[in-house]
Amino acid sequence: EAGVAQSPRYKIIEKRQSVAFWCNPISGHATLYWYQQILGQGPKLLIQFQNNGVVDDSQLPKDRFSAERLKGVDSTLKIQPAKLEDSAVYLCASSLDSGRAQDTQYFGPGTRLTVL
Amino acid sequence: SQKIEQNSEALNIQEGKTATLTCNYTNYSPAYLQWYRQDPGRGPVFLLLIRENEKEKRKERLKVTFDTTLKQSLFHITASQPADSATYLCALGYGNKLVFGAGTILRVKS
Repeated sequence: EAGVAQSPRYKIIEKRQSVAFWCNPISGHATLYWYQQILGQGPKLLIQFQNNGVVDDSQLPKDRFSAERLKGVDSTLKIQPAKLEDSAVYLCASSLDSGRAQDTQYFGPGTRLTVL
Repeated sequence: SQKIEQNSEALNIQEGKTATLTCNYTNYSPAYLQWYRQDPGRGPVFLLLIRENEKEKRKERLKVTFDTTLKQSLFHITASQPADSATYLCALGYGNKLVFGAGTILRVKS
């Protein structure tokens, strides 16, 4: 079974530029998550989709971050404009959503963003 | 305020010994707790889940305990090997949402 795919793996941009990340979840997984992991910290949830609807975006800085999941499969996360503090690894995860609360989340390799 | 605390310093142990990692939390009431392993440059990988009504779970060389009174989970790796060296993250669970700790780095020396 193919895992969660993310691209690009690395991105370096100047502050105030824009950037987009792409995620393809495991086939059949209804729930998709975007996390931000700053060096030395644990992943922090930015946004959670169930199919193509947003379940939780309470920690997404909506003035600069946006995300969409068209057709309930792939997802993109965009930052515009980027700030220095956005330097982090952006992780995408997916889960089956079998109806059980404790579905395992499967993570992709992440995109390491450096903002100069 | 809400806090999840894991050993901030790396844990260095000798091969063959048991590694014990701690996860303490404050002002949370999770329905379950998960442990993940994260290697450098990779995403976290799920290891074990324990629910609030369970005291202990085992999987091969791994054991996790969950004490909701102490608000603490302990994660044990028995007969540790150099390949167990990684960062281990605990995550508190509510519904299908997880809140992660910062993780503990484990180094197993041969």
